[in-house]
Amino acid sequence: GAGVSQSPSNKVTEKGKDVELRCDPISGHTALYWYRQSLGQGLEFLIYFQGNSAPDKSGLPSDRFSAERTGGSVSTLTIQRTQQEDSAVYLCASSQGGASVETQYFGPGTRLLVL
Amino acid sequence: RKEVEQDPGPFNVPEGATVAFNCTYSNSASQSFFWYRQDCRKEPKLLMSVYSSGNEDGRFTAQLNRASQYISLLIRDSKLSDSATYLCVVNPYSSASKIIFGSGTRLSIRP
Repeated sequence: GAGVSQSPSNKVTEKGKDVELRCDPISGHTALYWYRQSLGQGLEFLIYFQGNSAPDKSGLPSDRFSAERTGGSVSTLTIQRTQQEDSAVYLCASSQGGASVETQYFGPGTRLLVL
Repeated sequence: RKEVEQDPGPFNVPEGATVAFNCTYSNSASQSFFWYRQDCRKEPKLLMSVYSSGNEDGRFTAQLNRASQYISLLIRDSKLSDSATYLCVVNPYSSASKIIFGSGTRLSIRP
């Protein structure tokens, strides 16, 4: 079946511009995560959506970062006034959620380069 | 203290060797544990879950030590294709909550 998809796969932007990154989770998955990974580094948690609950935004690095999840499915991560330090791979993952063991399925990521 | 800690490595071992690495977690209430594998410039993928009784999948063995709050991954008869970063993952609670990733251990298998 279809896995997690993300778009665009690559994005080059200029410092100060806004960018939107999209994630389509696996159908039926109620949990959705956004992570950031800089070159050679581990995963940095950004935000977590679970069903209709208020999202866990504790990982967002600044108020320039925001995310939405519409209709419990597609999610958009928005970075306003991008800075060079925002350059990284942005990974989205989804899982079935709930009380069951949560295996996460990752999308291929969006590679963001801020010039 | 980080919630999940791993030795970043790199571990550089010859083909055919046995290699093991640990991951410690700080929350004693953690319920489920996983090892993920991430190849260079690729997304992480589930390698195996870690059960209380330990589990084995071919050359890979995962174990959980609740008393000392660590999980381990053992790779026997390592192959060149095992070269990757291995990520430890902990789900702190039984209900849906934020999964926590370790920063990963880099493994390099040399011919």
